Amino acid sequence: QQQVKQSPQSLIVQKGGISIINCAYENTAFDYFPWYQQFPGKGPALLIAIRPDVSEKKEGRFTISFNKSAKQFSLHIMDSQPGDSATYFCAASFRSNDYKLSFGAGTTVTVRA
Amino acid sequence: DTGVSQDPRHKITKRGQNVTFRCDPISEHNRLYWYRQTLGQGPEFLTYFQNEAQLEKSRLLSDRFSAERPKGSFSTLEIQRTEQGDSAMYLCASGNSGSRQETQYFGPGTRLLVL
Repeated sequence: QQQVKQSPQSLIVQKGGISIINCAYENTAFDYFPWYQQFPGKGPALLIAIRPDVSEKKEGRFTISFNKSAKQFSLHIMDSQPGDSATYFCAASFRSNDYKLSFGAGTTVTVRA
Repeated sequence: DTGVSQDPRHKITKRGQNVTFRCDPISEHNRLYWYRQTLGQGPEFLTYFQNEAQLEKSRLLSDRFSAERPKGSFSTLEIQRTEQGDSAMYLCASGNSGSRQETQYFGPGTRLLVL
């Protein structure tokens, strides 16, 4: 049973465009929502994370938007670059579960030059 | 390099053989997690240590799987009598139970292929 549902499965964006990836969860105990970036043959790398007490967090070209009432959160990649081509995973965890991560299925982003 | 390291990076084995993977976490981290990732999917939790104590095992971890962290530093994951369905990327992540305890850092993974 997948606790975090992620969409779309893949997307193609032009260089300079905006990539948007959406995730939804059911377990209201989740209190930490990270996004990981993974290149082929590599392990996931932490990109940005948010807690449910804020609605938005921005780090450089990456922004997380969080909607607690809808139990949804999304990643926006602004000014997408070819180097951003990778698979992105949303995840969720909570303290009383020792922050074991539940991952979405991933979104493969391709940025065309 | 002070990140999480895993060895070997790749392993090809025949069905029925035993394999062992090693993970070296970030040195000051006392939590260590193992995940498994199959092609086109997100990582799935397998097991977790705090110091040398194994605190939880997923239902995904059959009796053929065993993990240890004998001195609270590096960890090993052994798969006995491998099956083709064990083919996957095995990922290790480390974290801290103190400050920023929610953050996990992943290693590069060990890709296992069972023929």
